[in-house]
Amino acid sequence: GAGVSQSPRYKVAKRGQDVALRCDPISGHVSLFWYQQALGQGPEFLTYFQNEAQLDKSGLPSDRFFAERPEGSVSTLKIQRTQQEDSAVYLCASSLYRTSGYNEQFFGPGTRLTVL
Amino acid sequence: DAKTTQPNSMESNEEEPVHLPCNHSTISGTDYIHWYRQLPSQGPEYVIHGLTSNVNNRMASLAIAEDRKSSTLILHRATLRDAAVYYCILRGPGGANSKLTFGKGITLSVRP
Repeated sequence: GAGVSQSPRYKVAKRGQDVALRCDPISGHVSLFWYQQALGQGPEFLTYFQNEAQLDKSGLPSDRFFAERPEGSVSTLKIQRTQQEDSAVYLCASSLYRTSGYNEQFFGPGTRLTVL
Repeated sequence: DAKTTQPNSMESNEEEPVHLPCNHSTISGTDYIHWYRQLPSQGPEYVIHGLTSNVNNRMASLAIAEDRKSSTLILHRATLRDAAVYYCILRGPGGANSKLTFGKGITLSVRP
C-alpha cells in the first residue's frame, strides 16, 4: 500500500518568501507528526495532530511556523518570511492511534528546504 | 524522556555481523527501547523495539542488558543496504501516540 508522501521533495526559497509543505499520511492514520532535521542532526519534533486537532505545537521554533490539518488527513506546514536558518529537511510521520502498547511511526521521504 | 548515548560511527564488512551499542543509564522501569534507522535521503524507518527480554525480527535482534542500562542492536549479516544512521530511542508506556526524541544516532558504514 501507499506510504506517507510529501511534496515537494525539494524547495528553494529566497529569504523572506513564504513556503507551504504538504504531507499525505497513510490512509486511516489518526496521528500525524512534523519533524525538522538539520544537516548532520537527528530529526527534532515540531508539532503533533490527532485527527484535525493540533494537540502539541511545542516544537515550533517561532510564530513564523504554522501547521494545519483541517480535515484530519492531509497536513500542510507553512513557514512565513523564511530565514536561512530554516534550511533543513522537513519530515512528516503518521501512525494509528493506540491507547497503549507499541505504536510505530511511518515517515515520509521529507522535503528538503533551502533558503538562499 | 530519558537520554541515550551512542558512538558517532561504526564500520563493518559486508556479510559480517554488526553490533550497535546504546547506553541509557537513566532508563525508567517502564521505558521501551526503540531503534529506528535512516537510509540516505529517506525518512527514518522502524527497526525493532523491546522492554526487558531480547527480541528478534526479520530485520535485526535487540539484546537488552539485565539492568536495562544498555542495549545492542544486532544485524546478523550486514549488507550494503544496511549503511544508514541508526537511532536508539526511549519511550514511556504512555507514549504510544507521542513524539519520538532522536539523538544524533550512530552512522554505520558497510565495506564491500
